[in-house]
Amino acid sequence: EVQLVESGGGLAQPGGSLRLSCAASGFTFNAYWMHWVRQAPGKGLVWVSRIYGDGSTTNYADSVKGRFTISRDNAKNTLYLQMNSLRVEDTAMYYCARGGNSSTRRYFDFWGQGALVTVSS
Amino acid sequence: DIQMTQSPSSLSTSVGDRVTMTCRASQTISNYLNWYQQKPGKAPNLLIYDASNLQSGVPSRFSGSGSGTDFTLTISSLQPEDFATYFCQQSYSTPRTFGQGTKLEIK
Repeated sequence: EVQLVESGGGLAQPGGSLRLSCAASGFTFNAYWMHWVRQAPGKGLVWVSRIYGDGSTTNYADSVKGRFTISRDNAKNTLYLQMNSLRVEDTAMYYCARGGNSSTRRYFDFWGQGALVTVSS
Repeated sequence: DIQMTQSPSSLSTSVGDRVTMTCRASQTISNYLNWYQQKPGKAPNLLIYDASNLQSGVPSRFSGSGSGTDFTLTISSLQPEDFATYFCQQSYSTPRTFGQGTKLEIK
C-alpha cells in the first residue's frame, strides 16, 4: 500500500525557516518524480516544486524560487522541503504527492495527509 | 505559465442529478488534463487522468472528456459522497497549474 506521511509543519516567524519531510512507503521511491503542492486556508491548490527520482532535476514555482529547496534521500525513502525566508503568504497546508515514473505518466496519484505551516509574528 | 479556468465556481445540485463542469486551458495541452476531488479537511484524490482515463477504484459515474483547451468532468448520477470541490490540473508543462475549483453544494 502506497503511503506518504508529512511532518515538520508548525509555526514560524516571518523570515524564519522550517523543513518539511514526507516519508514514503509501498513503492519504489527512487523511480518517481515527487512534488509539493500547497493550499492556503480556504483557497485552491498551488503547485510548489518537484524533484526527479534520482534528485538530478528540480523545478520551482516562481513564488518560492530562491527561498525553498526540494531534496530527497532515496536511502531513507524521504522527500524534503526546506523553506527559508518565510513570508505570511506561505501559510498553507503543504502536501507531498507522487508524480509519474515516465514521460507519459504525469498525474499525482497519491497524496499525503498534509502538513500545516503557519507564518505569523 | 498555463492558466486553467474552471466553471462554474460553485454549483447547487441534488442527489441523482447529472452534473457537468468545465475546465479551459489558456493554451493547448493535448490530453494532459487531470481531475481531482477534495473533501473538507482531506487531501485531493485523483479521479481522472489524461482527460478521460478513470483512476483505479473511482466509481464509473465519473467520466472525463476533451482535448486541446476545453475539458469536461461529468458525474452521471450524483451521490451524497460526491459533494466536494473538484480541481482540474494540467500536466503538459511545468509549473503544473490547477484550476480554481468547482464546489458542489447540496440544493
